[in-house]
Amino acid sequence: AQRVTQPEKLLSVFKGAPVELKCNYSYSGSPELFWYVQYSRQRLQLLLRHISRESIKGFTADLNKGETSFHLKKPFAQEEDSAMYYCALGANTGNQFYFGTGTSLTVIP
Amino acid sequence: DVKVTQSSRYLVKRTGEKVFLECVQDMDHENMFWYRQDPGLGLRLIYFSYDVKMKEKGDIPEGYSVSREKKERFSLILESASTNQTSMYLCAGGWGGQETQYFGPGTRLLVL
Repeated sequence: AQRVTQPEKLLSVFKGAPVELKCNYSYSGSPELFWYVQYSRQRLQLLLRHISRESIKGFTADLNKGETSFHLKKPFAQEEDSAMYYCALGANTGNQFYFGTGTSLTVIP
Repeated sequence: DVKVTQSSRYLVKRTGEKVFLECVQDMDHENMFWYRQDPGLGLRLIYFSYDVKMKEKGDIPEGYSVSREKKERFSLILESASTNQTSMYLCAGGWGGQETQYFGPGTRLLVL
């Protein structure tokens, strides 16, 4: 069963426009949610995680347990935000970790 | 600085060859993971290990095996490489199921 769903494979926005990358999850326990980012020619790295409640590079994500969503948002997109973004879920049992299929974000100058 | 390293950035192998991909971490991670990354499919977990000599199957273990003889090293083995195993392979380390994972640079494997 698909644990993490990212409905958009590709997303293009203009510089300065708001951006939202969608993530929905399916898990009956208490998950920890993450957003990872992979810039061109760089390794996959953590962008932010739910428990830290930080804003990283202007991005925020709110866990909505009712809608089982963890959408990533930024009010004003920058060109350097162009990257592949993965939503991920860490299970509270069994050490399992699940990634979504990723969303490729392109910010148009 | 966190370091997860992978033995090769690029590998070209022939069908039927036995292939070893090595991953080393220097952060004393309990858990280590092997994923393959394919366009449109995201990251799919092949195997993970939560302790030395311990391993668990992920979502796509068929055709792969792993070895963890030391805490810092986690090897992925393709017993008999096939063309459908052409992919980017990512290794990661972490301290627990709900903790951040730290990724290596990846190994791009081409099986001819």
